[in-house]
Amino acid sequence: DTAVSQTPKYLVTQMGNDKSIKCEQNLGHDTMYWYKQDSKKFLKIMFSYNNKELIINETVPNRFSPKSPDKAHLNLHINSLELGDSAVYFCASSQSRVYNEQFFGPGTRLTVL
Amino acid sequence: AQKVTQAQTEISVVEKEDVTLDCVYETRDTTYYLFWYKQPPSGELVFLIRRNSFDEQNEISGRYSWNFQKSTSSFNFTITASQVVDSAVYFCALRGGAGGTSYGKLTFGQGTILTVHP
Repeated sequence: DTAVSQTPKYLVTQMGNDKSIKCEQNLGHDTMYWYKQDSKKFLKIMFSYNNKELIINETVPNRFSPKSPDKAHLNLHINSLELGDSAVYFCASSQSRVYNEQFFGPGTRLTVL
Repeated sequence: AQKVTQAQTEISVVEKEDVTLDCVYETRDTTYYLFWYKQPPSGELVFLIRRNSFDEQNEISGRYSWNFQKSTSSFNFTITASQVVDSAVYFCALRGGAGGTSYGKLTFGQGTILTVHP
């Protein structure tokens, strides 16, 4: 059974489009995250939700909007896609927001043309 | 603010060599947590180890060992008798503790690309 899953795995789209990435975890964890990995492999946190409540919101353009319908799901919607949004987006979850390790999904490679 | 520095961008070794990946961190939190993750060529991020700031015991897991030294703010990772399958990008990460300025935030280092040649 996949612990943290993301769909789609690959996403190729045109500038200006709106797209969503879905994430689900079956670990019963309380906290979920979105990370962005750029072309240089640098990983940076974007958002974190704890029990459906937004707890971390790094300096991310407001074109990015996370939504957590329940604590097992955290989706990422991106409006008006730009070339610079091309990256790999990872979803992750952890049992608590502090000391537990985070388990990552397989990543979604977004390419904006 | 937190910071994690992995000074080695790339390391290349021949199979069976030992290799150490360096990690130096900065934080103002008195309680914090350190992690290592592996990202193989397939792209997923695999958790390797977590270490709490109040536990400076070193850890060994098979060919992997970790050396945590609070005095030098370092959390180094050694692979003994490296194998081709160890080829990956390795990330060191730091997470602030409860009540700290970086509560809950996981900050990653830049990553070290390890290539093990047969």
